[in-house]
Amino acid sequence: AQSVAQPEDQVNVAEGNPLTVKCTYSVSGNPYLFWYVQYPNRGLQFLLKYITGDNLVKGSYGFEAEFNKSQTSFHLKKPSALVSDSALYFCAVSALRETGFQKLVFGTGTRLLVSP
Amino acid sequence: NAGVTQTPKFQVLKTGQSMTLQCAQDMNHNSMYWYRQDPGMGLRLIYYSASEGTTDKGEVPNGYNVSRLNKREFSLRLESAAPSQTSVYFCASSERTSGVSSYNEQFFGPGTRLTVL
Repeated sequence: AQSVAQPEDQVNVAEGNPLTVKCTYSVSGNPYLFWYVQYPNRGLQFLLKYITGDNLVKGSYGFEAEFNKSQTSFHLKKPSALVSDSALYFCAVSALRETGFQKLVFGTGTRLLVSP
Repeated sequence: NAGVTQTPKFQVLKTGQSMTLQCAQDMNHNSMYWYRQDPGMGLRLIYYSASEGTTDKGEVPNGYNVSRLNKREFSLRLESAAPSQTSVYFCASSERTSGVSSYNEQFFGPGTRLTVL
């Protein structure tokens, strides 16, 4: 069975500092990994994904994530945090069924708070 | 392009009442999903529809039914609401491509906040 762990319920960072939101995964076969962001009272928005290729994936709003197969991790990063980045972040892994149909398994989410 | 729309935005039910949550997408996506979001539990898949005419159970299907009315619409029905179904419900959709390419991102609606008293 596929699973995702986000070990931190909350991450606090000062504006202008780099941020990291951690994610580790467990999956049979090749992992397809995703990051989504949720702003208050909104649905989830796609940030970036790793399918294959370069281990460093760049996404929306200056975010990037590094895939590390040996550590089964897919941490989300940004070089310089903005107050507007404050939100709930979800890591997700794709669970391929025999039909090839994608089903996402989500982590429990990490709340990012960026202070001015 | 409205994306994924959901109605209603808010709903309060009494235990035992029934209701249907509506979802529609205008992106011509094949696949649609219903999730519930509860504090500390992330998103859990209730039901999904890989393509028009098919539906399948997800992680937490008990107490729910779905209908894929056409390619655009996917509804979720609570036949006899229980307090344990108090949650925020999200509908999502995605492209479906063949073979191992089924890794497309999902697009989410704004959610329905349901309270069952």
